[in-house]
Amino acid sequence: DAGVIQSPRHEVTEMGQEVTLRCKPISGHDYLFWYRQTMMRGLELLIYFNNNVPIDDSGMPEDRFSAKMPNASFSTLKIQPSEPRDSAVYFCATRGRGKGTGELFFGEGSRLTVL
Amino acid sequence: AQSVTQLGSHVSVSEGALVLLRCNYSSSVPPYLFWYVQYPNQGLQLLLKYTSAATLVKGINGFEAEFKKSETSFHLTKPSAHMSDAAEYFCAVKNQAGTALIFGKGTTLSVSS
Repeated sequence: DAGVIQSPRHEVTEMGQEVTLRCKPISGHDYLFWYRQTMMRGLELLIYFNNNVPIDDSGMPEDRFSAKMPNASFSTLKIQPSEPRDSAVYFCATRGRGKGTGELFFGEGSRLTVL
Repeated sequence: AQSVTQLGSHVSVSEGALVLLRCNYSSSVPPYLFWYVQYPNQGLQLLLKYTSAATLVKGINGFEAEFKKSETSFHLTKPSAHMSDAAEYFCAVKNQAGTALIFGKGTTLSVSS
């Protein structure tokens, strides 16, 4: 299994630009999570999906952030317009069927720098 | 609400010394607890998990953790540190809905020779 695949691994952009981060989950996993990691706040849960449906987006910081999961194989996290304070590492994680195990499998992250 | 607190943002040990990383939790329901490790420029990897079976949980790379309900703790230990253990370690608890994980702020472990 290829694991959770995120792209791009690194993104440097200027303030005001649109940023799109992508995630391909592990095949068969029905939960998908987006986390943001910063030095100040640690790992924050932004949003998660179950069977492609957004379940809880209470962690999304502002309307500038949006996430979609059009099918079981793909999810995007978009920031428009981006700001310097959005600089962070964004992780996608997925989980297998049912609530039993609880273990999350993480991608390698997308490091975003907004100048 | 569920939460975890990791005591000490940075721990330094010598190679061969005991590793002890502290985690206390708050949970309104019987908790499911996890330890994850993050190596530089990588994602998080599961070390071990507690799911209400044995209170002493053994994980990968020689790590183990003990669940103590009376102390609301889930500390991570390893008898003898190795240079390759240098990384950031995260304690996590399942949220109340049982669907997501809530992470602590992390503890950076440094190992010196």
